[in-house]
Amino acid sequence: GAGVSQTPSNKVTEKGKYVELRCDPISGHTALYWYRQSLGQGPEFLIYFQGTGAADDSGLPNDRFFAVRPEGSVSTLKIQRTERGDSAVYLCASSSNAGSTGELFFGEGSRLTVL
Amino acid sequence: GENVEQHPSTLSVQEGDSAVIKCTYSDSASNYFPWYKQELGKRPQLIIDIRSNVGEKKDQRIAVTLNKTAKHFSLHITETQPEDSAVYFCAPAGNMLTFGGGTRLMVKP
Repeated sequence: GAGVSQTPSNKVTEKGKYVELRCDPISGHTALYWYRQSLGQGPEFLIYFQGTGAADDSGLPNDRFFAVRPEGSVSTLKIQRTERGDSAVYLCASSSNAGSTGELFFGEGSRLTVL
Repeated sequence: GENVEQHPSTLSVQEGDSAVIKCTYSDSASNYFPWYKQELGKRPQLIIDIRSNVGEKKDQRIAVTLNKTAKHFSLHITETQPEDSAVYFCAPAGNMLTFGGGTRLMVKP
């Protein structure tokens, strides 16, 4: 596709369950970012990939959160033992810039609701 | 980590007036200074950016000015229109973007 694609667009789950959120970046973009956004706030950085490797995972809040990008394209954000405080919109973005920061192209986001 | 603050948090202007939003940051290593616009229920989209070797950049009705010594940069929108109503985020960057808390701009027709 032409843009960043995220699935699912909406996910409702129960506290304690495991969740996977998928991001398909723009073809050829080497950099991929995960952010999460709560209502009325700015996007909060989680993790940044350059190719297959996590270049910066300092934003992951705790060890329940993990992300992979095994082939340098699609990425999956995995959340174990979900808590109500994990409820937010999870945004993925990709960028063609390697080695210098540039424009991020965001997906529409995955809205996670933990009951 | 980077501390980013935006002011004001909300801004209401009459159509045709100008709007200015200021962003202050803490990391002197930041070298890229973008502004994103997010309409209700939509994704953030880049509207203008500037790098540290430039003091000002303009694109039609919008401009960004940078004061690297004072660690702040500002978004200027002239001749505002109702479709400019949105939340605006600054996102100073070194290796990755750190977003401010956002400014809700309301343009009254």
